[in-house]
Amino acid sequence: RKEVEQDPGPFNVPEGATVAFNCTYSNSASQSFFWYRQDCRKEPKLLMSVYSSGNEDGRFTAQLNRASQYISLLIRDSKLSDSATYLCVVKGRGYQKVTFGIGTKLQVIP
Amino acid sequence: NAGVTQTPKFQVLKTGQSMTLQCAQDMNHNSMYWYRQDPGMGLRLIYYSASEGTTDKGEVPNGYNVSRLNKREFSLRLESAAPSQTSVYFCASMLDYEQYFGPGTRLTVT
Repeated sequence: RKEVEQDPGPFNVPEGATVAFNCTYSNSASQSFFWYRQDCRKEPKLLMSVYSSGNEDGRFTAQLNRASQYISLLIRDSKLSDSATYLCVVKGRGYQKVTFGIGTKLQVIP
Repeated sequence: NAGVTQTPKFQVLKTGQSMTLQCAQDMNHNSMYWYRQDPGMGLRLIYYSASEGTTDKGEVPNGYNVSRLNKREFSLRLESAAPSQTSVYFCASMLDYEQYFGPGTRLTVT
C-alpha cells in the first residue's frame, strides 16, 4: 500500500460547482498534513495546512480525520483559475519524512 | 527575494554523461531537498540536507550525489546519466513545515 494515496482524476467540473478530493495515508504516526497546488509544468506551492479542527481559506476548506487516516479538500464555487493538480502531503518526524501523493488533477470547465 | 532558483531549466544528456544541477535559496533556510517527479509517481525524495554540512539519502538516491556547499546552495550531481533518470527535478527549502520549491529542471537522457 502506498504511504499517501490520491485519486489522480481528472475531475472535470463546471464553473461554480463544488468539488471535493480525498487523500488517505498509511502511517498513523504522521504529524502534519498539507495540500499543495501544482500548475502545469510549474513547481508545487503550498495551498493550505490541514488540522483536525478543519481549516478554511476563502472557498477552500481542508479537513483531517485521524481516526480514518484521511484528509480532504473542498473547493466551493470553482473558478477556471482553480484548474491545477492538487497534491496531498503528509509529514512525519524528521526532515526527510515528507511524502507526496501523486496529485489529483482538477479541470474547471466554462 | 528570488526564493529558490535552479539552473539549468532544461537539459538533454546522452547516456553516460555527467552533469550538476544547481540550486540556491536566499531565505536563510536550514534544510534543503532534491526531488524528482515522474508521471504517476509523485514527488520522490532523492537527497536532503538538514543543515549546512550535512546530507542524507532519501527514497531514491542511487545514481546521484549531492553537495551542500554553504547554507544557500545545494547541488545534485549525476555522475553517469541513464535514461531512467529522465525526469523533472525540483529543489526545495523548508521553513517550519512549509516547503518552497524552485521552478524545476527538465532533464532528458537519451
